[in-house]
Amino acid sequence: TQLLEQSPQFLSIQEGENLTVYCNSSSVFSSLQWYRQEPGEGPVLLVTVVTGGEVKKLKRLTFQFGDARKDSSLHITAAQPGDTGLYLCAGADRGSTLGRLYFGRGTQLTVWP
Amino acid sequence: NAGVTQTPKFRILKIGQSMTLQCAQDMNHNYMYWYRQDPGMGLKLIYYSVGAGITDKGEVPNGYNVSRSTTEDFPLRLELAAPSQTSVYFCASSYRGRGGKSNQPQHFGDGTRLSIL
Repeated sequence: TQLLEQSPQFLSIQEGENLTVYCNSSSVFSSLQWYRQEPGEGPVLLVTVVTGGEVKKLKRLTFQFGDARKDSSLHITAAQPGDTGLYLCAGADRGSTLGRLYFGRGTQLTVWP
Repeated sequence: NAGVTQTPKFRILKIGQSMTLQCAQDMNHNYMYWYRQDPGMGLKLIYYSVGAGITDKGEVPNGYNVSRSTTEDFPLRLELAAPSQTSVYFCASSYRGRGGKSNQPQHFGDGTRLSIL
């Protein structure tokens, strides 16, 4: 059973297009993190959202945490080839004192020049 | 800063062999984790540790063992390698103080790619 469902699993777009990746759950999380992973490397943190309804912007990337803290989205404006990678969302267990994260399966994004 | 260092980067094992995947961090993080990543499956937690001398099982601990004798090192041991353990293994670390929030970021190594034939 996957606690966090990400969609789509694969996304292939042209440079300049916009896209949205979704991360959904029936569970409430204390926070949600987004990571990006490039081939041959480990995931690298992009952002952490903590408050329900929170919106954070990182240049062309916009992250939103759902009001109920069960879901999140990542929107990329004017995608570039450098955005290519595996995007992972991870929810922090609300009841855990152990810093445990539950990861989604990821969205593989390819941006073509 | 080195961050989280994993060795080896690649390894091929025969069924039934054993090996230890090494992980070291130089950030004085108290929490450390081992994950495995299979294609299209995200990251699954194998074991974790909240400090030296303390370890506990994650989602998929069968076939693995860990130890945490120092803050810096968190090796993962495969005793009897099986084809189902073919995967990419990631070690991660984070810091959490007393009463700290559970949203501290995890810092990952670059992984060990393990094939069991």
